[in-house]
Amino acid sequence: KQEVTQIPAALSVPEGENLVLNCSFTDSAIYNLQWFRQDPGKGLTSLLLIQSSQREQTSGRLNASLDKSSGRSTLYIAASQPGDSATYLCAVPMIKAAGNKLTFGGGTRVLVKP
Amino acid sequence: SQTIHQWPATLVQPVGSPLSLECTVEGTSNPNLYWYRQAAGRGLQLLFYSVGIGQISSEVPQNLSASRPQDRQFILSSKKLLLSDSGFYLCAWTPQGPDTQYFGPGTRLTVL
Repeated sequence: KQEVTQIPAALSVPEGENLVLNCSFTDSAIYNLQWFRQDPGKGLTSLLLIQSSQREQTSGRLNASLDKSSGRSTLYIAASQPGDSATYLCAVPMIKAAGNKLTFGGGTRVLVKP
Repeated sequence: SQTIHQWPATLVQPVGSPLSLECTVEGTSNPNLYWYRQAAGRGLQLLFYSVGIGQISSEVPQNLSASRPQDRQFILSSKKLLLSDSGFYLCAWTPQGPDTQYFGPGTRLTVL
């Protein structure tokens, strides 16, 4: 059974610092890895999707890496802003799972202080 | 472009009352559809998913049921709510095949 872990569970940084969020998974048989953002009381917003054949994916200040063999992904957010405060979740769809079901990590709650 | 709607946005219901939450997707056809629950301070739990009309798979045995009467409509129901059914319910969709999952705005359910 796939298990996805995100450490730390919470993170507080001053504005301008770079954020590093970690995600690990136990089964490397994945199609891709997805990073989401969730603001309090809202749904999830997709940030980045890295295909299993890719090592890296970038969008603006966000950069996500994937090391499938070691079961790890890292989301980097450069020059953090207070608007980056949210919970960040990673998720993987299993190759063996029907219906493209995602297994989610528990999330990292980020607070960027002005 | 594709959009996903959920209603109601918030709901307060007494224990033992019925429940019906609705999710609709626009701008796509034959999507995979999903219902998740997010309890306070806990992660996302997949409740049901559907790969086509009338096809429902349950992930967790519970007090809830789901139906897909139309291609882009997904309904979450209960005959009698329990206190433990309180939570934030999220609907999501993907195209057929492994791809980004898109989430609706969610329904906050409080059972008293």
